[in-house]
Amino acid sequence: QQPVQSPQAVILREGEDAVINCSSSKALYSVHWYRQKHGEAPVFLMILLKGGEQKGHEKISASFNEKKQQSSLYLTASQLSYSGTYFCGTESRAAGNKLTFGGGTRVLVKP
Amino acid sequence: ETGVTQSPTHLIKTRGQQVTLRCSSQSGHNTVSWYQQALGQGPQFIFQYYREEENGRGNFPPRFSGLQFPNYSSELNVNALELDDSALYLCASSFGGPVISPLHFGNGTRLTVT
Repeated sequence: QQPVQSPQAVILREGEDAVINCSSSKALYSVHWYRQKHGEAPVFLMILLKGGEQKGHEKISASFNEKKQQSSLYLTASQLSYSGTYFCGTESRAAGNKLTFGGGTRVLVKP
Repeated sequence: ETGVTQSPTHLIKTRGQQVTLRCSSQSGHNTVSWYQQALGQGPQFIFQYYREEENGRGNFPPRFSGLQFPNYSSELNVNALELDDSALYLCASSFGGPVISPLHFGNGTRLTVT
């Protein structure tokens, strides 16, 4: 069962902030975040291990709430280069050695 | 550092045919995962190979099979192609361990089944 991402799409003006959420019905061991630009391969952004740890990549950060089985990705002061589709990938003991991806959140940053 | 490369980039096949897709892992990586990505959707896990052995499989029928070679390159084979098999097939390499390490994706093979 794949994680659920929300919102499905968001349009931002350059400099605005956005939050993307990822929820799972399974107990999670880790959460990965990837960004895929049109016609390109997904690119790794960050990994979060259980413990509510926050990580950062440029002005993109994320948190992981192990108890709620949720992760959030924060796009701060968005740049045009942040446009793309963001996927969370979850790792759980129940699912074994695989990363299960959500349906994605399309982000469009306009000038 | 050599990245993940996949071949071919595009492929058109007829229903019922067989296809083989290839992937060269990033140097230093010993694990390869294959994903199917339909248009507008997230990647769906097909299977994973670790040190030449299948190490996990998603909800795909047995006509999807794979191999990993001693140099950690990999193949995905699909028999008896169906129209629904049309998708982008992504290969991702990583370093196997107790926690899934970051996946490094290739640019994919776009398969069209007519």
